[in-house]
Amino acid sequence: AQTVTQSQPEMSVQEAETVTLSCTYDTSESDYYLFWYKQPPSRQMILVIRQEAYKQQNATENRFSVNFQKAAKSFSLKISDSQLGDAAMYFCAYRAQKLVFGQGTRLTINP
Amino acid sequence: DAGITQSPRHKVTETGTPVTLRCHQTENHRYMYWYRQDPGHGLRLIHYSYGVKDTDKGEVSDGYSVSRSKTEDFLLTLESATSSQTSVYFCAISDRGSTDTQYFGPGTRLTVL
Repeated sequence: AQTVTQSQPEMSVQEAETVTLSCTYDTSESDYYLFWYKQPPSRQMILVIRQEAYKQQNATENRFSVNFQKAAKSFSLKISDSQLGDAAMYFCAYRAQKLVFGQGTRLTINP
Repeated sequence: DAGITQSPRHKVTETGTPVTLRCHQTENHRYMYWYRQDPGHGLRLIHYSYGVKDTDKGEVSDGYSVSRSKTEDFLLTLESATSSQTSVYFCAISDRGSTDTQYFGPGTRLTVL
């Protein structure tokens, strides 16, 4: 069975600094998708970024970028120039047939 | 934002009572999903639908049933609610199944006393 592990239950960063959230996954599939979702206090699940496993280039969305290491089964999220509005739970997710989530990392932004 | 609504947004009920949660979408997406979110577990799939009247089980389906009689509506029913079903429930939709991104509704907080 596929599993997704986020080893950092909590992280904190100073406003305007850069932070990296870790995610590893276990799969025997070769074709799959990886996602980072953000869940602010409103509980809404918001898609941050998506990566197709067949693409070697790391996905980027404005201040958010990923470091996708397929051989190592690692998928970290880098947030540059952190803003107070980035404070949230962040979930890493893997999808081949079904979407599987990690346990989440709570990110705090210190002003 | 994808047009997904969930009702009710909050519900408190007693053990043994039936409960139905509704997910409504205006995107005409083929796939719909129900998840539950509990501390330390992230989101876990309960049931999903791949078309009208076509549903299948997820990893935590015991105690839940679903129905989809129209493309836009996906109902989750707890036949006899238990305290272990206290959770936040999320509906999600996607257009092309496994190759597509899922978009989530706002969630329903259910408390079973």
